Amino acid sequence: DGGITQSPKYLFRKEGQNVTLSCEQNLNHDAMYWYRQDPGQGLRLIYYSQIVNDFQKGDIAEGYSVSREKKESFPLTVTSAQKNPTAFYLCASSIDRALLGTTNTDTQYFGPGTRLTVL
Amino acid sequence: DAKTTQPPSMDCAEGRAANLPCNHSTISGNEYVYWYRQIHSQGPQYIIHGLKNNETNEMASLIITEDRKSSTLILPHATLRDTAVYYCIVRLPFYGGSQGNLIFGKGTKLSVKP
Repeated sequence: DGGITQSPKYLFRKEGQNVTLSCEQNLNHDAMYWYRQDPGQGLRLIYYSQIVNDFQKGDIAEGYSVSREKKESFPLTVTSAQKNPTAFYLCASSIDRALLGTTNTDTQYFGPGTRLTVL
Repeated sequence: DAKTTQPPSMDCAEGRAANLPCNHSTISGNEYVYWYRQIHSQGPQYIIHGLKNNETNEMASLIITEDRKSSTLILPHATLRDTAVYYCIVRLPFYGGSQGNLIFGKGTKLSVKP
């Protein structure tokens, strides 16, 4: 939403295949996040990145990988090692470091999500 | 685990104010209260946040009690498009030493009825 795009909206994958989900933002945000949402559940953090070329594991990183080569982009790869990958994946971004110290805080803004189904 | 407690569901008549309560009795002094909503199969939408003072924006008002142990989100004139799950979240700011992620509980499913 508001400058964050995720593609594709729906994705189908066969078991054993890796798949990469795209997340792009044009908000000049430094921090980016990947969450996973299962039906009727809250969001769980997979990976996050506070700055280009650096990222950290979240609470459920096993079976996932990320890269952050550009400020605008934070792709998520769901590998075949992820045992239960069918879920709704959400990307978020926050913090323009140039604005820290003003009234702006680190509100996270979310993309529209990608629904991944493993067949 | 989420640090907030919300009723699982609420109904509201179209055009009336929707008042959504949230309890956060263990909130610490530098934790903010955030509200998001999620319409089915969409990404969460940011609504409003606050620390101590009441806040208002074009979408809603946030009333935080003086002891900060609870808050209320007010949608002044609810419409059918406000039907969604509303999440109340308390969190440290990113620069407060946290990893900055949002911990969503189950939220309140608000149904706005004609």
